[in-house]
Amino acid sequence: TQLLEQSPQFLSIQEGENLTVYCNSSSVFSSLQWYRQEPGEGPVLLVTVVTGGEVKKLKRLTFQFGDARKDSSLHITAAQPGDTGLYLCAEGGGGSNYKLTFGKGTLLTVNP
Amino acid sequence: NAGVTQTPKFRILKIGQSMTLQCTQDMNHNYMYWYRQDPGMGLKLIYYSVGAGITDKGEVPNGYNVSRSTTEDFPLRLELAAPSQTSVYFCASSESGAGNTIYFGEGSWLTVV
Repeated sequence: TQLLEQSPQFLSIQEGENLTVYCNSSSVFSSLQWYRQEPGEGPVLLVTVVTGGEVKKLKRLTFQFGDARKDSSLHITAAQPGDTGLYLCAEGGGGSNYKLTFGKGTLLTVNP
Repeated sequence: NAGVTQTPKFRILKIGQSMTLQCTQDMNHNYMYWYRQDPGMGLKLIYYSVGAGITDKGEVPNGYNVSRSTTEDFPLRLELAAPSQTSVYFCASSESGAGNTIYFGEGSWLTVV
């Protein structure tokens, strides 16, 4: 089972600041997904990255997939209180594409 | 806009009791999953199904059972509840496997005392 390490575990910032969170593995990702989970809700998919070096943007969120496909980052520009939540990365594939393996997540709090 | 619906939302069980968490989806997805989420531990796959009549174990299946008699429904059965099963349970579905969008329900909070 592939282990995904996310850092930092907790992050508390002020509105308007920029931040980056990371997802790393010792093995190559077949594909990587980023989810956001708000309190009391289930995770919601933000993006899927597949190709090494890929960059995707979703409004103020920028997702990068490492060239070697062993790491990924999520950068948020000018964070807002609505960005508060648990950010999870998940890897799907390997021998089976039925299952996702999740990291433990980064809990982000954006203070007004 | 129903998507994935789980019931109940909250439940308190006594040690040794049994219960079933219900899950239904209205998107005609073949793949369905049950995860549990413990504080600081991420989501762990309990069981999954790739279609009606087919189920398989995930990472943490002990103490649970599932069935998939229809495409829409994927109930999770807890037999002889133990305090270690205190967790938040999420049902999810996808059209065709983990590389595609997985849709999660809102979760079921279970406490075993």
